[in-house]
Amino acid sequence: AQSVTQPDIHITVSEGASLELRCNYSYGATPYLFWYVQSPGQGLQLLLKYFSGDTLVQGIKGFEAEFKRSQSSFNLRKPSVHWSDAAEYFCAVGTPGGATNKLIFGTGTLLAVQP
Amino acid sequence: GAVVSQHPSWVICKSGTSVKIECRSLDFQATTMFWYRQFPKQSLMLMATSNEGSKATYEQGVEKDKFLINHASLTLSTLTVTSAHPEDSSFYICSARDGQQPYNSPLHFGNGTRLTVT
Repeated sequence: AQSVTQPDIHITVSEGASLELRCNYSYGATPYLFWYVQSPGQGLQLLLKYFSGDTLVQGIKGFEAEFKRSQSSFNLRKPSVHWSDAAEYFCAVGTPGGATNKLIFGTGTLLAVQP
Repeated sequence: GAVVSQHPSWVICKSGTSVKIECRSLDFQATTMFWYRQFPKQSLMLMATSNEGSKATYEQGVEKDKFLINHASLTLSTLTVTSAHPEDSSFYICSARDGQQPYNSPLHFGNGTRLTVT
């Protein structure tokens, strides 16, 4: 069965510093991969997604992620973090095929931004 | 963009009562909706998948008689927590898939409902 691992539960970075959030997945084929962000008490907002093609995908708010098949990873990056980026970030795997796609979420990484 | 409205945002109820949570797609037809539960500082756990006009499919370990899901129209799905107990207190989030988009299009999420059972 597919699964998603986010090794870092909590990360603190300084404003203006670069950021990388790790995500590893387990799936027999190439899955659909997503990164979502959740602000406290809110729903989820899609940052970016990967289905196929170029392995470096650009998302909203200056985020990007790179799919590395050999490492089963889909790490999220941002070159310069803003205080407003403080939130919880979830990596998710969608299973191709069928008329619906259920998402399997990782346990999330809580990002804190220091002034 | 596509908007999913979830209501109420928060609710407090007494143990033994039932609570209904609504999930509406405002500007698209949601042929499929998903209900998730999120415990504090944990990830989202899929509870069930509902398709318009048919019975919901529940994930393993989720009591279908306790968490009643109704997807009676293309824009509305409801989750009713029956005979609520304190351990049902959680953050419930719905998501919807636009039936006009490819099946692998991203889901649209509601803002969640914080349920507290006293």
